[in-house]
Amino acid sequence: KQEVTQIPAALSVPEGENLVLNCSFTDSAIYNLQWFRQDPGKGLTSLLLIQSSQREQTSGRLNASLDKSSGRSTLYIAASQPGDSATYLCAVNAGNMLTFGGGTRLMVKP
Amino acid sequence: DGGITQSPKYLFRKEGQNVTLSCEQNLNHDAMYWYRQDPGQGLRLIYYSQIVNDFQKGDIAEGYSVSREKKESFPLTVTSAQKNPTAFYLCAIGTSGAFNEQFFGPGTRLTVL
Repeated sequence: KQEVTQIPAALSVPEGENLVLNCSFTDSAIYNLQWFRQDPGKGLTSLLLIQSSQREQTSGRLNASLDKSSGRSTLYIAASQPGDSATYLCAVNAGNMLTFGGGTRLMVKP
Repeated sequence: DGGITQSPKYLFRKEGQNVTLSCEQNLNHDAMYWYRQDPGQGLRLIYYSQIVNDFQKGDIAEGYSVSREKKESFPLTVTSAQKNPTAFYLCAIGTSGAFNEQFFGPGTRLTVL
């Protein structure tokens, strides 16, 4: 059964820092991987989707990479801002269903 | 969001009652999903539907029921058999097929009194 782990569980950084969030999964037979952002009490906002054939995707200050063979993905956030404070979730799609990690709670201090 | 609506935003239930959570979409997506989120945890799949009049159990379907009579609507009923229903419930939509990307509604917070 697919298991998804996100490290660290919580992260606090000063504004302006570049940072990396990690996601690992146990079964490399996936179709794609999605990164989401969740603000407190809200739904999930899709940030990036990486198909299994791709190595990375970029959107603005966000860059997500995928190494399917090693079961790892990273989300890189450049020049972090207080507005980036949220919980970040990764989810792997092994066929019609997503399996989620527990999330990384990010706090960016002004 | 932006085409996925969930209602109500907050719901309170007495023990022993069934309650129904609404999920509606106007984006014409085939697939719809229900997830449960407990504090500090990721999401777990309850039920999903890829086509009208058909749905499949997810990892934690016990104590829940769904229907898919219309493409736009996928209501979730939390029955009295669900032992610990207090949670945040999220509905999602996606394109059908293995490579689907999912988009989420704003959620319903259910509290059992």
